[in-house]
Amino acid sequence: GAGVSQSPRYKVAKRGQDVALRCDPISGHVSLFWYQQALGQGPEFLTYFQNEAQLDKSGLPSDRFFAERPEGSVSTLKIQRTQQEDSAVYLCASSLERFGQPQHFGDGTRLSIL
Amino acid sequence: GIQVEQSPPDLILQEGANSTLRCNFSDSVNNLQWFHQNPWGQLINLFYIPSGTKQNGRLSATTVATERYSLLYISSSQTTDSGVYFCAGRNYGGSQGNLIFGKGTKLSVKP
Repeated sequence: GAGVSQSPRYKVAKRGQDVALRCDPISGHVSLFWYQQALGQGPEFLTYFQNEAQLDKSGLPSDRFFAERPEGSVSTLKIQRTQQEDSAVYLCASSLERFGQPQHFGDGTRLSIL
Repeated sequence: GIQVEQSPPDLILQEGANSTLRCNFSDSVNNLQWFHQNPWGQLINLFYIPSGTKQNGRLSATTVATERYSLLYISSSQTTDSGVYFCAGRNYGGSQGNLIFGKGTKLSVKP
């Protein structure tokens, strides 16, 4: 596609439910990043994939957060047993390579936990 | 990790005015980018500018990598320029590819 596509655009869940957020990167982009943006803050790094390999997950806030990219294209960020503090905008970005190339961001998923 | 400081945190302009936004880094960075986050939350690429100067219409950016700062110039501002402007960079020489963002400059352009 022309850009990074994320779905759903908005997600409301009750505390304790599991959620899954999808990211479809720009075709041919090797690198895929997930970021979390709290209200009034800049995005913060969660995890990074190079093709299907998850090379960095140092930003995941707890073991309730899990991400995968099984075929090196579409990625899913899953949050288990959601808590209110998980409410945020989740942004996905892709780039041609890990270094030396700009990252292109999707429109994000706004997650609200009630 | 590196620290990214953006100034000013808030800026109110009258339509037609010019402005300069600044981004300082605590250490050397690569992959410096400027973004505009519009009121609908979309994060739009403005510039990929590890060094030097680039221009795109009413916007231009300059990065002085050796002094660890970057500037974004907005000329003849319009109400559609409102939103939050972020700069972000990657830690130079680090193995991580992720961007580290500043807290942003919130710009409001009044008609």
